[in-house]
Amino acid sequence: EVQLVESGGGLVQPGGSLRLSCAGSGFTFKNYWMSWVRQAPGKGLEWVAHIKEDGSEMYYVDSVKGRFTISRDNAKTSLSLQMNSLRAEDTSMYYCAAAGRSWGTFDYWGQGTLVTVSS
Amino acid sequence: DIVLTQSPDSLAVSLGERATINCKSTQSVLRSSNSKNYLAWYQQKPGQPPKLLIYWASTRDFGVPVRFSGSGSGTDFTLTISSLQPEDVAVYYCQQSYVIPFTFGPGTEVDIK
Repeated sequence: EVQLVESGGGLVQPGGSLRLSCAGSGFTFKNYWMSWVRQAPGKGLEWVAHIKEDGSEMYYVDSVKGRFTISRDNAKTSLSLQMNSLRAEDTSMYYCAAAGRSWGTFDYWGQGTLVTVSS
Repeated sequence: DIVLTQSPDSLAVSLGERATINCKSTQSVLRSSNSKNYLAWYQQKPGQPPKLLIYWASTRDFGVPVRFSGSGSGTDFTLTISSLQPEDVAVYYCQQSYVIPFTFGPGTEVDIK
């Protein structure tokens, strides 16, 4: 059974930092591009960051460039998102997602971890 | 960035009836090199993550019921649920992966009439 399990969410003050993690199992993690996708409370989906199978290429939505860093450890089948200089508008459920069927198509999703940025 | 719009915002359909959701892109998502449209559809039920239904505009993902179908090419796409079932109550999103940043439509809420 495919599993993606996120952790690391919580309450953080504006300007603070948080590191999200995602543990993958049940599929060949190293063969998948991986992404973070977020969803603000009651809102739609927003793609955040994407990383190549071997970690050599990363892409970000403009609103997080320079503040967020996506990384992966294929030996540990884990994905991370380092989030710095957090803003209120970063408040969202953060999902990790695996893309394998097609470029940028998200086959598998985790249950998400909630990040709340508030003073 | 490619902007996706969906219509309607919400719809209520009787059980067993057809539900149709439209997705329009501000630019073509058809890649000429392989003739594939980089357009996917997801279903999200309350309190759950999204689930992939359709990719390449019309290819059903593994295990997705045949009542779900996708069509369209270029900039105009449709998701059809041929016979609405109670478990289909959800929000449906289209998403393009033709170009980064990947973008999603705003979602269409489907309910039972």
